[in-house]
This record gives sequence, C-alpha cells and structure tokens, in this order.
Amino acid sequence: QKEVEQDPGPLSVPEGAIVSLNCTYSNSAFQYFMWYRQYSRKGPELLMYTYSSGNKEDGRFTAQVDKSSKYISLFIRDSQPSDSATYLCAMSPGLASGSRLTFGEGTQLTVNP
Amino acid sequence: SQTIHQWPATLVQPVGSPLSLECTVEGTSNPNLYWYRQAAGRGLQLLFYSVGIGQISSEVPQNLSASRPQDRQFILSSKKLLLSDSGFYLCAWSWGGEQFFGPGTRLTVL
Repeated sequence: QKEVEQDPGPLSVPEGAIVSLNCTYSNSAFQYFMWYRQYSRKGPELLMYTYSSGNKEDGRFTAQVDKSSKYISLFIRDSQPSDSATYLCAMSPGLASGSRLTFGEGTQLTVNP
Repeated sequence: SQTIHQWPATLVQPVGSPLSLECTVEGTSNPNLYWYRQAAGRGLQLLFYSVGIGQISSEVPQNLSASRPQDRQFILSSKKLLLSDSGFYLCAWSWGGEQFFGPGTRLTVL
C-alpha cells in the first residue's frame, strides 16, 4: 500500500468550474502538506503549503487538511485554461534537515475554454 | 531571491555512455539538495539527497551516483547508462519543509 494515494485522473472541467483535488495518506506522522502544480515538461511549482489541520486560502486556491481522516484537498475556484496541469500533493513529518517529502502520483487536470 | 538551475535541458545518450547532470542553486546557503526522477505519467522518485558538502544519501540502489563538491552544486552521474535510466530528472532544494524544483533535464537513452 502506498503511503500517499492520489487519483491520477485525467480530470476535465469547463472553464469557471470549481475543481476539487484530493489525496489520502496512511502515515499519521505527516504534519506538513504541500500542493505542487506541474505544467507539461516543466519542474513542479509550489502552490500551497500548510501545517497540520485546517484551511489556507490564496486567491482562487484553497488547501484543506483533515488529519483525523488523513485526507487533504485543493480547491480551485473559477478555474481557467491556464490551470491545466498536473497537480501533485506532497507531505512530510517534519522540517528537520534532510526531511523528505512523500509525493502522490499527481492528478492531470484539463480546463476547457 | 533563490534560483535553481539545471543543465542540460534535454539530452539524448546511447546505452553504455556516461552521464553528468548538474544543478546549482543561487541566493541561499547550506541548502538541502535532492535529485528526483519522474517517468512519463508517474510520480516523483527520490534518488539522492544531501544535507551538506560531501554528504550524500542514496534512496534507490542503481547505476547512478551523486556528488556535492560545493555548497550549492549537486551533480548526478552514471558510468554506463541503461535504457531504464530514461526519464525527467529534477533537482530540488530546501531550507525548511518546502522544496523548490529546478526546470528539469529530459534524458532519453537509446
């Protein structure tokens, strides 16, 4: 069983839709949670970074962490064609030197104009 | 601000040839450095990470090696490439929890 599970999609939505991307995990030690956006043939770009449970909002993006359910989500409001990319969740137990991230396999999102 | 560079951007190499990929970071000191490989349509596989000069930890036994000759330089090498070494190689740095990725090198082994 993988430590982090993420539905690979592909997910296709019309422009303006609300998008929900999700990951589940099994390691209760994870405390730090990240979402990365990766355009085709580019390196991943950090979108959101949250610690422990709760919500964090940044413009059209909201990250949500539910540690009791071991479930994290990324919501994209008013989705745009420029949001078309692969979204990777990542998590870590701590910030100690050399801390490693555990990644999901990524969800491929297409926003159609 | 911090910047991470990788080169080359694209590389086509024959089986059995050597490999050297370079990564450098600007604008920070004593970063943690990482090498990942991403196969087509797959997630990120951590290959090596380093917490300081000359300190390398290997995650996956294979024919690749890594070195960190300077604080902000990380090199991925191989003496003889295999077909299975093809993929998208990403370097990343961190100085806390978040990791920041470079633009990547797309390697095709023929």
